[in-house]
Amino acid sequence: DIQMTQSPSTLSASVGDRVTITCRASQTIGSWLAWYQQKPGKAPKVLIYKASSLENGVPSRFSGSGSGTEFTLTISSLQPDDFATYYCQQYNSLWTFGQGTKVEIK
Amino acid sequence: EVQLVESGGGLVQPGGSLRLSCVASGFTLSSHEMNWVRQAPGKGLEWVSYISSDGATIYYAGSVRGRFTISRDNAKNSLYLQMNSLRAEDTAVYYCARVFGNYFDYWGQGTLVTVSS
Repeated sequence: DIQMTQSPSTLSASVGDRVTITCRASQTIGSWLAWYQQKPGKAPKVLIYKASSLENGVPSRFSGSGSGTEFTLTISSLQPDDFATYYCQQYNSLWTFGQGTKVEIK
Repeated sequence: EVQLVESGGGLVQPGGSLRLSCVASGFTLSSHEMNWVRQAPGKGLEWVSYISSDGATIYYAGSVRGRFTISRDNAKNSLYLQMNSLRAEDTAVYYCARVFGNYFDYWGQGTLVTVSS
């Protein structure tokens, strides 16, 4: 099974900050990686697919990069609506999620 | 508008059974592969099971294989998850999710399953 490891687990930031979350796969997954945002009590929402493609309707301040085993999600200027938990997901071989990164207000 | 609505959750004793349903609207269910994903209270997301658009191909996570059964009825726009031999560690919110390009583009709101005596 492919394991996904995110870092950090928690991130404290302020509105306007540039935020980067890292996701590492236990084996190469090409570009078959998605990023999801989840707010308390709500279902996850896809932000990025195929490592760097922005899902329709997602603000351009979100971007993704990487391939193989190392990936990043960047929020260029953190907005109040962005405080949430973020998950990476590999879909190269079945599906596995990272453990999540909670972005909280500093 | 694409909608997925889960139902069937509730409180069940260890060793018991539950059947979850997910009704789809706003798109043709028969054209899409589907999954179940769960989230234990305060924890992360865990993929549970996959079914192809025609129901011919099915996969399970190791933690549920042999106890859970995924199925679908495209004529009723519905996806199901039969859960048997339930354990405390199966307590979670269960989401159905639509597959698009192999990632999950739409999710339901979830249904809570609590396994406790």
